[in-house]
Amino acid sequence: QQPVQSPQAVILREGEDAVINCSSSKALYSVHWYRQKHGEAPVFLMILLKGGEQKGHEKISASFNEKKQQSSLYLTASQLSYSGTYFCGTETMDSSYKLIFGSGTRLLVRP
Amino acid sequence: DVKVTQSSRYLVKRTGEKVFLECVQDMDHENMFWYRQDPGLGLRLIYFSYDVKMKEKGDIPEGYSVSREKKERFSLILESASTNQTSMYLCASSLDNSGAAYEQYFGPGTRLTVT
Repeated sequence: QQPVQSPQAVILREGEDAVINCSSSKALYSVHWYRQKHGEAPVFLMILLKGGEQKGHEKISASFNEKKQQSSLYLTASQLSYSGTYFCGTETMDSSYKLIFGSGTRLLVRP
Repeated sequence: DVKVTQSSRYLVKRTGEKVFLECVQDMDHENMFWYRQDPGLGLRLIYFSYDVKMKEKGDIPEGYSVSREKKERFSLILESASTNQTSMYLCASSLDNSGAAYEQYFGPGTRLTVT
């Protein structure tokens, strides 16, 4: 049931782009993205709802393909502050309130 | 700003002890959650609560129980701690599950070691 994230880890130079994918075996109602910096709590980035509504902040975007049950997070012109572990959390059609999180993608941005 | 606080950052307990982890949120949120975080496994949901005195099992409830007597407080209880419960425990809260209000706010975590 846990969504599969890929890649597991990625190293970038400052200014490069990255894509993180999240794939579920179940029909999804929404996908949430969080970032956790080392030693800190996860912080909400973005939510994508079935039907196309998207909410988020910062210079990070995401897509949600309902048919493929997949979401992708796009980090463009990466900054040092983007380093951390990114988690997707999926809400399925048969589960209210709760999210199932993937195992995370570690991102390191180097100068 | 929403604030979620957890009673301890680090905790060391012995096998068989009863352990209480406390979580308090200050923004009148309806939902509260307990997760454990282990390397390579991400965040796994133990229990959640969508109202006072209401609780539902998450994906890994075995060996845990919870209590929510007041809206702002959600406690995780390990009835008899075991070494395989050594982990980072994260509490979270959210206002409700409709659209933008559904984002979860996490506490700083409690790193529990059971020896």
